[in-house]
Amino acid sequence: NAGVTQTPKFRILKIGQSMTLQCAQDMNHNYMYWYRQDPGMGLKLIYYSVGAGITDKGEVPNGYNVSRSTTEDFPLRLELAAPSQTSVYFCASSYEGRGTEAFFGQGTRLTVV
Amino acid sequence: KNEVEQSPQNLTAQEGEFITINCSYSVGISALHWLQQHPGGGIVSLFMLSSGKKKHGRLIATINIQEKHSSLHITASHPRDSAVYICAVSLDYGGSQGNLIFGKGTKLSVKP
Repeated sequence: NAGVTQTPKFRILKIGQSMTLQCAQDMNHNYMYWYRQDPGMGLKLIYYSVGAGITDKGEVPNGYNVSRSTTEDFPLRLELAAPSQTSVYFCASSYEGRGTEAFFGQGTRLTVV
Repeated sequence: KNEVEQSPQNLTAQEGEFITINCSYSVGISALHWLQQHPGGGIVSLFMLSSGKKKHGRLIATINIQEKHSSLHITASHPRDSAVYICAVSLDYGGSQGNLIFGKGTKLSVKP
């Protein structure tokens, strides 16, 4: 079972560049999430989706965009990268949201220079 | 004040020791999760619980809903248990979409 797959694992971006972090899950989960993890801090929610075609902002959405055209895929787009977006990004999914187990990807370590 | 507080932040133990990591939360929850993150690695779910106690191998998780407190215990610790252990909660209110609120994690190092 692949579970939640994130690509790439590492990336260095220059200020102002753009990129897309890919996330795919093969568990037919409705709920998908993007989190960022900064040193010494708990993970923070960037965006989430409760199903194909439905997305909404989390706690720290500025500088990011998402789309959910299929149940499987939930890409995160960074436009005009800034040093403040240097972080480790995790994609997660769950079947029903509240009170159900969450499955995480391996993470993407992004550095903006 | 953070909604999820973990203690200790860092923990060093000798192989074989019994380890306890604590988590307190200040909000109504539908479930509490214990997660494990190895250095440079992804996050793995260890337990999800809403009441009582769960056990998996050498790991035990307990939760006291009235006191809003959970503990993760590791018996007979081993160097391979070295990781960051993260407590997270699913909020229990109508607008919640199942996202987790995370503690800052406890970094555990087990020495041989």
